[in-house]
Amino acid sequence: DIQMTQSPSSLSASVGDRVTITCRAGQSISSYLNWYQQKPGKAPKVLIYAAFRLQSGVPSRFSGSGSGTDFTLTISSLQPEDFATYYCQQSYSTPYTFGQGTKVEIK
Amino acid sequence: QVQLEQSGGEVKKPGASVKVSCKASGYSFTSYGICWVRQAPGEGLEWMGWISIYNGDTNYAQKFQGRVTMTTDTSTSTAYMELRSLRSDDTAMYYCARVIGTTYYYFDFWGQGTLVTVSS
Repeated sequence: DIQMTQSPSSLSASVGDRVTITCRAGQSISSYLNWYQQKPGKAPKVLIYAAFRLQSGVPSRFSGSGSGTDFTLTISSLQPEDFATYYCQQSYSTPYTFGQGTKVEIK
Repeated sequence: QVQLEQSGGEVKKPGASVKVSCKASGYSFTSYGICWVRQAPGEGLEWMGWISIYNGDTNYAQKFQGRVTMTTDTSTSTAYMELRSLRSDDTAMYYCARVIGTTYYYFDFWGQGTLVTVSS
């Protein structure tokens, strides 16, 4: 199984801050990397697929980059509705493993 | 609009089985796959497997091999996930999600989740 490791596990930030979350794969996964946002009590929602492609309807302040083993999710200007947990997930090979999550909290 | 409606919560005893349903609407059911993801209380997301609605092919995570069966009923646009020999650590929210993509797969629509509680 491909292990996905996110950092940090949690962070505190203020509205308007630029936030970066990192995801590292245990082996090269090319660009087969997706990012999801999950709010408490809700199902996850896809933000980014194929490393950098923005899902339809997702605000442009979200962006993804990287390939191979190292990836980042960036929120250019954090908004109140962005406080949530973020997960990366690889779709290079089954099982399609997720990272452990990064909780973004209000500072 | 695309919707995935899951069945209600279940309480099961250890050793029992549970079957969760996921009814799709708003799109061509046979054109996409369905995957199942679970989340234990306070924990992260765990991919269990997926099924191709088109040909019924399945791919299960090794962890669940022999205990899980994913099926579909195309006449009602419903996917099912059965988990057997339940243990307390199977207590979790179970989600179905639509699988989209031809090369780069991802999960674009999700059900609301079904809470399965395993307790004696």
